[in-house]
Parts: sequence; structure tokens; C-alpha cells
Amino acid sequence: GAGVSQSPRYKVAKRGQDVALRCDPISGHVSLFWYQQALGQGPEFLTYFQNEAQLDKSGLPSDRFFAERPEGSVSTLKIQRTQQEDSAVYLCASSFSAGPSSYNEQFFGPGTRLTVL
Amino acid sequence: AQKVTQAQTEISVVEKEDVTLDCVYETRDTTYYLFWYKQPPSGELVFLIRRNSFDEQNEISGRYSWNFQKSTSSFNFTITASQVVDSAVYFCALRDGGGSEKLVFGKGTKLTVNP
Repeated sequence: GAGVSQSPRYKVAKRGQDVALRCDPISGHVSLFWYQQALGQGPEFLTYFQNEAQLDKSGLPSDRFFAERPEGSVSTLKIQRTQQEDSAVYLCASSFSAGPSSYNEQFFGPGTRLTVL
Repeated sequence: AQKVTQAQTEISVVEKEDVTLDCVYETRDTTYYLFWYKQPPSGELVFLIRRNSFDEQNEISGRYSWNFQKSTSSFNFTITASQVVDSAVYFCALRDGGGSEKLVFGKGTKLTVNP
């Protein structure tokens, strides 16, 4: 079936603008994750959901970052009042099962490259 | 705290050479999971393998093999007879067995295989 999809693939924003990034996980996947990848670095965890519940948001860098998954499927990552340091690739991933005893791999989408001018 | 170290930033080899990518991890948990992902130039992370802390058996999949050693907290990845298509950035990642399912990634090793 289809993999994880993200839109838009590229986003250019002026400093101070709000942006919304969308993630469509693989159908039936319970867990959904957001990561931020700066140029030349590994992905860094932002937040994750189990169905519609946001279980860990410890990686969100500031209160300008907000994520939601209201119906337990599609998720949106919103960044308010964007700053230049927010420029990065934002990756979404999903996995089939959930919980401490599960260790299913996470399947990643192609990412959204955000550039803040 | 969890940490993954990939000391090799970039490696360049000639096709058909064998190459080993190093990964050292830190965790206080006795139950944890290790992963390798490949990120080709297209950018999408591709899952390669997962390992749990109770299974130290090494694994071979075609030209790929993984060596997991708890005694040295290492989970190294070897590509035998490398090919140009293996050129990519490779990431090692760690997930603790506790509540959060988040992955902690290393900074990656960029592998270039020259013809």
C-alpha cells in the first residue's frame, strides 16, 4: 500500500509567518512521530501520538510548535511566528503497533523542507 | 540519558571494498532496541534492521551484516562488496524499552562508494 506522505514537500516562509505541515501515515498505523532534521545532522525527535493521544512532546523546541492528530490518522505540525532557526526538514513517521513492548520499525515519509527567510 | 555516537562522519571507498560503519550507544535501560536506517540522496529514511537488547545474535542479509555487542555497547554495520548504490547517509538509532517510543539517532555516516 501507500507509504507515509507529507505535504507540502517544500515550504518557504518569511520570518514571523505561521506554517502548517501535514502528515498522512500508513493506513492502520497506530503511532505517529514527528522529527526535525537540520542539515548534516540526524533526525531529532519532536513529538509522537498513539492514535489521537499525544504521549510525548518533550522534543518540541518552544511553545511556537504545536502538533495535533484529532482523529487518530492525519497529523498537522504547526509552527507559529517562524524563525530562521526553524529551517530544517521535518520528517513524519508511523508504526503499526504501540506500547512499551512493541518495537516495530518506524516508516518515514519524504519530509517537508522548510526554509525561513 | 540516551545517546548514539557515530564517530565516522564520512567514509569513501572504491566499489567492491568491504566497509564497516560504527555505532556506539548509551542507555541506562536493560531493555532497549537498536535500528539502522539508510538515507539515500532522495532524502527518505529507509529501515534496514532492528535488534532488541536480549538478542545478541549477529545477522546477515545479503551483503549486509550487523554485529551487536552489549559488552562494548556497539552495533556495527558491515557492507560486503560495496556497490555505488550503497552511497547514502546511514543512521544508527536507539529506542529505550520504557514509555516513550521515540528514536534517538546518531549524527550519521555519509558513505560514498566510487566506481
